Amino acid sequence: QSALTQPASVSGSPGQSITISCTGTSSDVGSYNLVSWYQQHPGKAPKLMIYEVGKRPSGVSNRFSGSMSGNTASLTISGLQAEDEADYYCCSYAGSATFVFGGGTKLTVL
Amino acid sequence: QVQLVESGGGAVQPGRSLRLSCAASGFTFSSYGMHWVRQAPGKGLEWVAIIYYDGSNKYYADSVKGRFTISRDNSKDTLYLQMDSLRAEDTAVYYCARDRSLRDFDHWGRGTLVTVSS
Repeated sequence: QSALTQPASVSGSPGQSITISCTGTSSDVGSYNLVSWYQQHPGKAPKLMIYEVGKRPSGVSNRFSGSMSGNTASLTISGLQAEDEADYYCCSYAGSATFVFGGGTKLTVL
Repeated sequence: QVQLVESGGGAVQPGRSLRLSCAASGFTFSSYGMHWVRQAPGKGLEWVAIIYYDGSNKYYADSVKGRFTISRDNSKDTLYLQMDSLRAEDTAVYYCARDRSLRDFDHWGRGTLVTVSS
């Protein structure tokens, strides 16, 4: 149950696009189309932003999108806005009803 | 609307026990699996445990297996986490979260802080 690998930080200017990667193994990310992404503002609970690799829950902006290739999933945020500044976590189903999170990425909007 | 409210956190000495609760409302609790996820101060999220909708199956992270027990009372719409033999590294905010068919966590509580220190 090793954590998925995410960059510690990314940054972008308002209006730009950024991508956060999430690398796992063939036992988790690479085995299931069950990667989800969570946004967490300081002191708040995580919020589901993307599920099943690239699907958006109702109410989440279409500026958020997800994709996957092999053992790496990615979250892209287009048209960056100040309120997007937060920590982002990926998560993958890892079999036998267990889950593994990434270490988290701090997004700074310059 | 879906609401999850954790309680039971606090300061405890290493080796002692603590039981967390998560009160659910706004949905049919007995139809959903539930998780505990924790976050150490300044650190990332760590999945802790899951219990199926009817309590029939429970799974744990290796880091808590044998020390923590997840349970639920569907008559009270409440999820529990019994934490025994606590260690300093168990210090974290503990969140309960609703499961969506082993796909993701679609609703989260606000968390309860557990501090393990002598």
